[in-house]
Amino acid sequence: DADVTQTPRNRITKTGKRIMLECSQTKGHDRMYWYRQDPGLGLRLIYYSFDVKDINKGEISDGYSVSRQAQAKFSLSLESAIPNQTALYFCATMREGGEQFFGPGTRLTVL
Amino acid sequence: AQSVTQLDSQVPVFEEAPVELRCNYSSSVSVYLFWYVQYPNQGLQLLLKYLSGSTLVESINGFEAEFNKSQTSFHLRKPSVHISDTAEYFCAVLSGGSYIPTFGRGTSLIVHP
Repeated sequence: DADVTQTPRNRITKTGKRIMLECSQTKGHDRMYWYRQDPGLGLRLIYYSFDVKDINKGEISDGYSVSRQAQAKFSLSLESAIPNQTALYFCATMREGGEQFFGPGTRLTVL
Repeated sequence: AQSVTQLDSQVPVFEEAPVELRCNYSSSVSVYLFWYVQYPNQGLQLLLKYLSGSTLVESINGFEAEFNKSQTSFHLRKPSVHISDTAEYFCAVLSGGSYIPTFGRGTSLIVHP
């Protein structure tokens, strides 16, 4: 069952384009996160949100922005995509106790 | 700042052999510890976790990990691996009441027939 969904699953775009990655969850969790995964670097936190009115920058927020439209929805935007933003992007939620639930990922390629 | 070290980026092993994936962390306060697994073309999913109580925790598919406070380690072990265990494994730590986990860089377990 897809408790955390991400759209699109794959996206190829050009330098300078604006891109939005969407995340929805049916877990009922307040805490949501956006990560990027690069080979050999593991997961790096871009932004996180602990409720609809709470948005926080992670370790690599430059070049990204987010919107928490509802408890269930958390979108990531690249205002002007650049090639080094080519990566695998994951959305995740967190339950009490710290366990995270990840979406299937969005593979983004910026040409 | 919190850090998590996974000492091996890649661990090749033959089917039915034992395996240990190592994880060390830097926090001196109370911690919650997690191992996640990422199968090819999928997101991460929880394998097992330590929150409190018994220092040895087990997963449903035969993996186990032991919390060692003195060595600040949480190594993952399996006595006999299967081809289907081929995946990327991530160690993660939550410390001091934080809700921001720190992840290791991952270990790629490659099981050969």
